[in-house]
Amino acid sequence: EAGVTQSPTHLIKTRGQQATLRCSPISGHTSVYWYQQALGLGLQFLLWYDEGEERNRGNFPPRFSGRQFPNYSSELNVNALELEDSALYLCASSFPLIAYEQYFGPGTRLTVT
Amino acid sequence: GNSVTQMEGPVTLSEEAFLTINCTYTATGYPSLFWYVQYPGEGLQLLLKATKADDKGSNKGFEATYRKETTSFHLEKGSVQVSDSAVYFCALSAPRSGNTPLVFGKGTRLSVIA
Repeated sequence: EAGVTQSPTHLIKTRGQQATLRCSPISGHTSVYWYQQALGLGLQFLLWYDEGEERNRGNFPPRFSGRQFPNYSSELNVNALELEDSALYLCASSFPLIAYEQYFGPGTRLTVT
Repeated sequence: GNSVTQMEGPVTLSEEAFLTINCTYTATGYPSLFWYVQYPGEGLQLLLKATKADDKGSNKGFEATYRKETTSFHLEKGSVQVSDSAVYFCALSAPRSGNTPLVFGKGTRLSVIA
């Protein structure tokens, strides 16, 4: 069975541009989570989607946004990129009633120059 | 609020050494506790879990016991291998966790040398 997939693997953007990251959850999972893993800072929770709705978001500015599609895949958009947005962005999915057991994708490495 | 504190790394061990990575937590209610592992270039994988006090989670030779009295969930392995080199994250899930069902520690990098 396929795991969580993310694309692209690497993304290089310049400051001020927009980045779009994509995630496909495991089949049957309806909840999707986004995390930012910046160097030395562990995982910072970004967004949580369930059944197409945004359940909650972490302490990030509004230029971080996303959506979940009817097939439960998800997109993370980062507008007006700043240098400190350079990080590994991890997507995870889960069954809605087992939200603590999350399955992670390999991540998208975003570099802002 | 809910939080997880892990020992800072990096931790460097020789092959076959004993491993302990300390993890303590603060939570309201009765949390479930987890260890996730991130191998180089990969996402996180659930390593083991414990859902109530005195439970012991185990997997791949790793163990952790949920100690309510000391609010701890230390990860141990009796004999590490080079292939165990990774970053280990302690996490909790508690009722009314707020933003997210999982709260992670900052991670501990383990390097095992032959």
